[in-house]
Amino acid sequence: EAQVTQNPRYLITVTGKKLTVTCSQNMNHEYMSWYRQDPGLGLRQIYYSMNVEVTDKGDVPEGYKVSRKEKRNFPLILESPSPNQTSLYFCASSLYRGHEKLFFGSGTQLSVL
Amino acid sequence: QKEVEQDPGPLSVPEGAIVSLNCTYSNSAFQYFMWYRQYSRKGPELLMYTYSSGNKEDGRFTAQVDKSSKYISLFIRDSQPSDSATYLCAMSESGGSYIPTFGRGTSLIVHP
Repeated sequence: EAQVTQNPRYLITVTGKKLTVTCSQNMNHEYMSWYRQDPGLGLRQIYYSMNVEVTDKGDVPEGYKVSRKEKRNFPLILESPSPNQTSLYFCASSLYRGHEKLFFGSGTQLSVL
Repeated sequence: QKEVEQDPGPLSVPEGAIVSLNCTYSNSAFQYFMWYRQYSRKGPELLMYTYSSGNKEDGRFTAQVDKSSKYISLFIRDSQPSDSATYLCAMSESGGSYIPTFGRGTSLIVHP
């Protein structure tokens, strides 16, 4: 089954404790991206990747890191989480570009205390 | 002012009603227009995809794009309780990375 898999689904952590949210797709997609979704603000892009070793900032990259060492994986790293990073996070992928059909993961609800 | 404006609702309608969901935008370079549906606690899924102006129909769903007015719409005919979800419009320019810009989403409730 074609899918984007995110882990974990729920995560509670404390300020400053580094964490990684994993994302993997099995569709051989080139384009992958991370979004955060907050009430009243909608989906905002954090980072995106056009292919292996090619990443770029989205609208809200501060406080986040990403890497794309393999085509299928695109982890999101929070080196020193802060409470304002409490949000619902989605990973998404598409075949080549962001304007094509985006396949979204099921989301990761992160709470930073 | 955001590039894409979308009324968050909620929009509550009876089963069987025709639903109209809308977005306005300010960037005249947008060429690709999409509607995503998001159920509670799930990721968005693509519902409709349109390039440039015109209409596109898929079953009970019709997407319209009016580039002269910078206005897009999604119509749902014979709405069902299973249509209750948040509907997100998204649009992107032609060229480069084609990064989509999303609206905030409209919450739709279809009651039996």
